[in-house]
Amino acid sequence: DAGVTQSPTHLIKTRGQHVTLRCSPISGHKSVSWYQQVLGQGPQFIFQYYEKEERGRGNFPDRFSARQFPNYSSELNVNALLLGDSALYLCASSLATGLVGYEQFFGPGTRLTVL
Amino acid sequence: KNQVEQSPQSLIILEGKNCTLQCNYTVSPFSNLRWYKQDTGRGPVSLTIMTFSENTKSNGRYTATLDADTKQSSLHITASQLSDSASYICVVSEADSWGKLQFGAGTQVVVTP
Repeated sequence: DAGVTQSPTHLIKTRGQHVTLRCSPISGHKSVSWYQQVLGQGPQFIFQYYEKEERGRGNFPDRFSARQFPNYSSELNVNALLLGDSALYLCASSLATGLVGYEQFFGPGTRLTVL
Repeated sequence: KNQVEQSPQSLIILEGKNCTLQCNYTVSPFSNLRWYKQDTGRGPVSLTIMTFSENTKSNGRYTATLDADTKQSSLHITASQLSDSASYICVVSEADSWGKLQFGAGTQVVVTP
């Protein structure tokens, strides 16, 4: 079975542009989470979606938005890119969400560079 | 303020030797604690996951411990191999409605021949 897949693997944009990152979860997983990882730091939580609804949001500006589709794949959109948005963007999928703390499986990430 | 602190920030060990990584957390209410291994430029891969009632869990040469009273965890790597070179991240899950994860900054381990 395929793991979590993300596209594109690398992306170069300039300040002010818009970017869309894509994620396909493991088959059967209904929850997708997005994380931003700046070089040398741990991942920072951005969003979690479950059954196409937003279930959690981290401390990120409104320039960041996401959605989940009926097939449980997800998109992360970032508007008006800043230099500080340069990072590895990770997508993780899990069977569900909730107090039990379902294990999250991470994709390989999308490396975004903003010039 | 980060609710998950890891130490050391980095370490270099000789192949075949053992090492121990530390994780202290203040996340509350606590649900579970996980250790992930992350190779450079790749997504994290889960090594262990422990709930409140578990105080040790092993995965091959990796052994994690948890003291929920002192809010401390450790990851012990036995007989290190070159392939163990990676960042090891401690992650704590909040016992809220959707299990929010709090990540540490990671410990960068370099295993040398």
